[in-house]
Amino acid sequence: GQQLNQSPQSMFIQEGEDVSMNCTSSSIFNTWLWYKQDPGEGPVLLIALYKAGELTSNGRLTAQFGITRKDSFLNISASIPSDVGIYFCAGRRNTPLVFGKGTRLSVIA
Amino acid sequence: GAVVSQHPSRVICKSGTSVKIECRSLDFQATTMFWYRQFPKQSLMLMATSNEGSKATYEQGVEKDKFLINHASLTLSTLTVTSAHPEDSSFYICSAPTSLSTDTQYFGPGTRLTVL
Repeated sequence: GQQLNQSPQSMFIQEGEDVSMNCTSSSIFNTWLWYKQDPGEGPVLLIALYKAGELTSNGRLTAQFGITRKDSFLNISASIPSDVGIYFCAGRRNTPLVFGKGTRLSVIA
Repeated sequence: GAVVSQHPSRVICKSGTSVKIECRSLDFQATTMFWYRQFPKQSLMLMATSNEGSKATYEQGVEKDKFLINHASLTLSTLTVTSAHPEDSSFYICSAPTSLSTDTQYFGPGTRLTVL
């Protein structure tokens, strides 16, 4: 079945630093989604990507849909303490969403 | 973005009892909703796809007689955990795609189930 490899698994960064995380797939996706989950809460949609090569921003967040359609990355610029949480990538092609295992982000003030 | 609600947010029950969790789309209609289960520090695992007006589609390994799903209307899906046992304790989350794009899913806030 489809699998998503998300990296890094966890990150510890200083406040103000930029962050980058990515997901790669063993197969092609038509959609890439990035979510953030806070403890005890449901995932919140950050960015949705629908076309290969698409680069989309949402405030300090930028995500890209890889040209090969098998990967995507999420960048966070100038991190702040409230960026702490778990970030999940998710992809889809004619099936229910497949999720990565998440990147746990910790921001040190 | 679209809003999905879940109720209850937290439930504690005795082993052997049944628990019903509701998932509602508040500002859009959803012919399809998804139910996920999440263990601590793990990713989301799809349990089943809830279809309005027809039977739910369960993922491999998920017992349909234990996790009953009913999609009663275009804005409500329910998950009933029957004869719950401690190993059913988990975080249950529903999601729904908006009518504008079936690829973009919005998640509910989740329900923490603890079975004693």
